[in-house]
Amino acid sequence: QVQLVQSGAEVKRSGASVKVSCKTSGYRVSTYGITWARQAPGQGLEWLGWISANNRNTQYAPRFQGRITMTTDTAANTAYMELRSLTSDDTAIYYCARVLPAGAIPWGQGTLVTVSS
Amino acid sequence: DIQMTQSPSTLSASVGDRVTITCRASQSISTWLAWYQQKPGKAPKLMIYRASTLETGVPSRFSGSGSGTEFTLTISSLQPDDFATYYCQHYDNYSPNTFGQGTKLDIK
Repeated sequence: QVQLVQSGAEVKRSGASVKVSCKTSGYRVSTYGITWARQAPGQGLEWLGWISANNRNTQYAPRFQGRITMTTDTAANTAYMELRSLTSDDTAIYYCARVLPAGAIPWGQGTLVTVSS
Repeated sequence: DIQMTQSPSTLSASVGDRVTITCRASQSISTWLAWYQQKPGKAPKLMIYRASTLETGVPSRFSGSGSGTEFTLTISSLQPDDFATYYCQHYDNYSPNTFGQGTKLDIK
């Protein structure tokens, strides 16, 4: 069945970068886009952006433009989200999900990123 | 950017109740709206897409309606498994796919 398995928890210092991976199984990452969202402790979901199936198009939430990059490695069937210049406000669980015309399904299990000063 | 506003933020109800959650878009989004259910410590789960289409496996007590700027999620008869937080999301390939702020449905 289709699964997205994300990389493990990360602890980073303020100012550092983090790269979260999202390995797909049960389908080729080249066939559907991948979207990313995050959830800060006790807060709601925040959309970060998405990358198209053919890796040519990306769209990022305006407030992350310039410090976020989404990529896919079709050979490894894996998507990546890199966030730079981290601050404590970036402490959150980061999720990836496959993009279908119906919406985002399924989702990865989430990756906790903790940013300390 | 399109803003999505959910109401209420919190809803207390009992098993068997009929509940409705509202989501408003700051501009018309046609029917490009999805509803997600999230339980503590879990990833979101797609419940409804294109405003009113039930995702496979979702119980028929869930329904969605609306188009343009006004949308609703209705649960016809609450079951214990339904107590969770619900999010609406505008989605398309052309603009930020904003989530609503969420509605926490808890037991009265």
